[in-house]
Amino acid sequence: DSGVTQTPKHLITATGQRVTLRCSPRSGDLSVYWYQQSLDQGLQFLIQYYNGEERAKGNILERFSAQQFPDLHSELNLSSLELGDSALYFCASSVRASGGRDTQYFGPGTRLTVL
Amino acid sequence: AQKITQTQPGMFVQEKEAVTLDCTYDTSDPSYGLFWYKQPSSGEMIFLIYQGSYDQQNATEGRYSLNFQKARKSANLVISASQLGDSAMYFCAMREGKTSYDKVIFGPGTSLSVIP
Repeated sequence: DSGVTQTPKHLITATGQRVTLRCSPRSGDLSVYWYQQSLDQGLQFLIQYYNGEERAKGNILERFSAQQFPDLHSELNLSSLELGDSALYFCASSVRASGGRDTQYFGPGTRLTVL
Repeated sequence: AQKITQTQPGMFVQEKEAVTLDCTYDTSDPSYGLFWYKQPSSGEMIFLIYQGSYDQQNATEGRYSLNFQKARKSANLVISASQLGDSAMYFCAMREGKTSYDKVIFGPGTSLSVIP
């Protein structure tokens, strides 16, 4: 158990809908990262927050957005869902914003299925 | 350009034998970190081992060790005394040190199957 929690574990929805994925980082971690893992794209970095502020953006679509709240939990919002958004979405957390031995610990993931 | 290459999409190893999973990387940054993660069929990503670019010694964590060859830009994971529970996908990842943000790039992964 990494200490990172993600809810829900599974999510099934229809095209065009909007969903929210939730992540609670490990105690003491200030950075939260979101990743998307799909069969064709592999593991792709989406976005990073550090202590409530957006720190870095990766391959995140405009239909997707995220935020980190004062209690450091984070939410990833996916809207106007398409079939291709079906994937495993991971949240990871680390202590610092960048560099060094700062390891990202991953949550169990949310498996999103868009029908 | 592919920054992390894992040339072995699938590997088989006999139980109790050692296995090496290959990883090569590409960076011009002298400061970087290399990670290995394990993803069993249940889906979670499990951190295994870390090697910093300035570390003088190869990293070891229990049955996992990292064969770090800086000049060749390779960071191969060695698993000793393989166990059935080692069957999983293994991902090599890199963080470059001097970027303004902290982005970890993952390789495509190697699927390891341990045979009894």
